[in-house]
Amino acid sequence: AQRVTQPEKLLSVFKGAPVELKCNYSYSGSPELFWYVQYSRQRLQLLLRHISRESIKGFTADLNKGETSFHLKKPFAQEEDSAMYYCALYTGFQKLVFGTGTRLLVSP
Amino acid sequence: NAGVMQNPRHLVRRRGQEARLRCSPMKGHSHVYWYRQLPEEGLKFMVYLQKENIIDESGMPKERFSAEFPKEGPSILRIQQVVRGDSAAYFCASSPGTGGYEQYFGPGTRLTVT
Repeated sequence: AQRVTQPEKLLSVFKGAPVELKCNYSYSGSPELFWYVQYSRQRLQLLLRHISRESIKGFTADLNKGETSFHLKKPFAQEEDSAMYYCALYTGFQKLVFGTGTRLLVSP
Repeated sequence: NAGVMQNPRHLVRRRGQEARLRCSPMKGHSHVYWYRQLPEEGLKFMVYLQKENIIDESGMPKERFSAEFPKEGPSILRIQQVVRGDSAAYFCASSPGTGGYEQYFGPGTRLTVT
C-alpha cells in the first residue's frame, strides 16, 4: 500500500532549537518524496524535493530507504517557520499521496 | 501569473443542496487535481483530470460527487445533495503535466454544510 505517515500532529519548539519533522513512507517502487508547507493564510507550496538534495530556508531532508523515512530538519528554528508541513509521496501517473501534516509552532 | 484560482473561498450550503466548486489552473497547465481536507486529517486525493478527460477518480466518493474539466473554462467539482460530512476544505492543484511532479495549489474552498 502507498502510504505516508507523519506521526506528530503538533511540534512545539523554542526559537533557535533544532527541528525534526518526521515522515515515513510505504511504497514498493523507487520513491520520489516532497515536503510541502502551508503558512498561515497562504496556500500550500512546495518546500523541497528529495531528488534535488537542496536546502530551502535552512531546511534539509534526506531520503533513508533503509528506514523508509524522509524527515525534515532544520538546525535552528525561526518564528517564521511556524506553519503546517506535509510530506508527500509521488506514486506515478502524476499523483501525490500526502501525510496528515504536522503543525510546527516556534515560540520566541 | 495569478496562480491557481479557486472560487468561492467559502461556501455555505444546507443539507440536500448542491455545491459547485471552481478551479482555474495556472496558465499553461493542463492537469488539475482535487483534494479534500477533513477536519484534523491530511489532504486526501479525490480526482485527477486533464482537459475533457478524467484520468483518475479513485479518491472520489461513488455517489453525489462529480468533476469535470471542460475544454474551455474552469474545472468544476460538484457535490449533489450535500450532507454534514461533506464539510471540509477542498483544494485544487494544477501541473503542467510534462515531466515535473510539482503541483501548484489554490487557496482552497471551505465548504460548510448546515
